[in-house]
Amino acid sequence: GQNIDQPTEMTATEGAIVQINCTYQTSGFNGLFWYQQHAGEAPTFLSYNVLDGLEEKGRFSSFLSRSKGYSYLLLKELQMKDSASYLCAVRFNQAGTALIFGKGTTLSVSS
Amino acid sequence: EAGVAQSPRYKIIEKRQSVAFWCNPISGHATLYWYQQILGQGPKLLIQFQNNGVVDDSQLPKDRFSAERLKGVDSTLKIQPAKLEDSAVYLCASSLGQGEADTQYFGPGTRLTVL
Repeated sequence: GQNIDQPTEMTATEGAIVQINCTYQTSGFNGLFWYQQHAGEAPTFLSYNVLDGLEEKGRFSSFLSRSKGYSYLLLKELQMKDSASYLCAVRFNQAGTALIFGKGTTLSVSS
Repeated sequence: EAGVAQSPRYKIIEKRQSVAFWCNPISGHATLYWYQQILGQGPKLLIQFQNNGVVDDSQLPKDRFSAERLKGVDSTLKIQPAKLEDSAVYLCASSLGQGEADTQYFGPGTRLTVL
């Protein structure tokens, strides 16, 4: 199957840095997305990676290693409002443009 | 730019009843997706439309779920009859349907509770 694995929960404090990992099977890989989802709200797009390397967007960065089937989302200077679920989603060739989502990582930021 | 609109936001029904959800995608977006998100899980694709044609409905429980996208814009998802396990958030997403980084944008979802 096309399993997307990420940790279930993480905790961190304000101002810290946190790294959320995601692993997936490499066969048919065609792009990886990270979404943020606050409780009771829709997922919002954070980042897209298809080539190896780091994509930086302000406090958020996303890294991809295609050969290892591995990505991470790096959140810097954490704020309370960053408390949310972070969803890793992969596009596989076999699935057209649809995304296969992981179960999400619930991040709790405390003061 | 207006986002993806969905209605209703919440719906409570009893098992064996019918329910319908509506989605209006972002203007100009050719591709429309319906996802089911059970509590504590990531979204799972139910059906994907490209304009008014179905691209993928392999995970849609066709004995009880149906969806249509008439005129290639709005879409409706129907469940008839509903089961307890259908309790979930139903998310609609849309994308341009072209380009390498074809990003999906999600609506607020409809939270369905089946009693």
